[in-house]
Amino acid sequence: ETGVTQTPRHLVMGMTNKKSLKCEQHLGHNAMYWYKQSAKKPLELMFVYSLEERVENNSVPSRFSPECPNSSHLFLHLHTLQPEDSALYLCASSHYEASGSFGQFFGPGTRLTVL
Amino acid sequence: GNSVTQMEGPVTLSEEAFLTINCTYTATGYPSLFWYVQYPGEGLQLLLKATKADDKGSNKGFEATYRKETTSFHLEKGSVQVSDSAVYFCALSRNFGNEKLTFGTGTRLTIIP
Repeated sequence: ETGVTQTPRHLVMGMTNKKSLKCEQHLGHNAMYWYKQSAKKPLELMFVYSLEERVENNSVPSRFSPECPNSSHLFLHLHTLQPEDSALYLCASSHYEASGSFGQFFGPGTRLTVL
Repeated sequence: GNSVTQMEGPVTLSEEAFLTINCTYTATGYPSLFWYVQYPGEGLQLLLKATKADDKGSNKGFEATYRKETTSFHLEKGSVQVSDSAVYFCALSRNFGNEKLTFGTGTRLTIIP
């Protein structure tokens, strides 16, 4: 399989559930990202991992917990979410070098609905 | 801080029309600039990019030129097709540390036959 994959593609959960989103990249990249895409709002960067180390956390509530066990995998653990957390969650990866950027490659996203 | 401003949508055009989607940016230093496209039900795809002033990115008939003097990166296509209907995002990336992308709000494009 090539590119960036995300599972599940769709997820419905109650506010008391615990679930995890999975992202896998097959591109040999050294950085991975989680974004939240809500209707009528700009993409919101949530977390950045560079060489498996979290380098950015944009004031995301603690009910979202990222995990990056290796350079190919990224998880987003969810617990006690709120209905306003319903959105499309996008994973991306990139290969960054000091010589410049090459762009981020996105997965298809997980459509999350919190009841 | 860095920011990207895109023209408001939605934009509706007839097939074979000329397309321009405006994008201007504010950034320190010399960012890289990108256009991403999102088709219905899918994630974002990198459409084209430019990494320095006067570079022209091109792909699938789309073009955009990095204009540092006007801080712009407008997307153009000479003849659009129904299959170009999607949401288009302009973005910039700082060139140090890691690739944090700053996105515009997106422009929804609909092409009618």
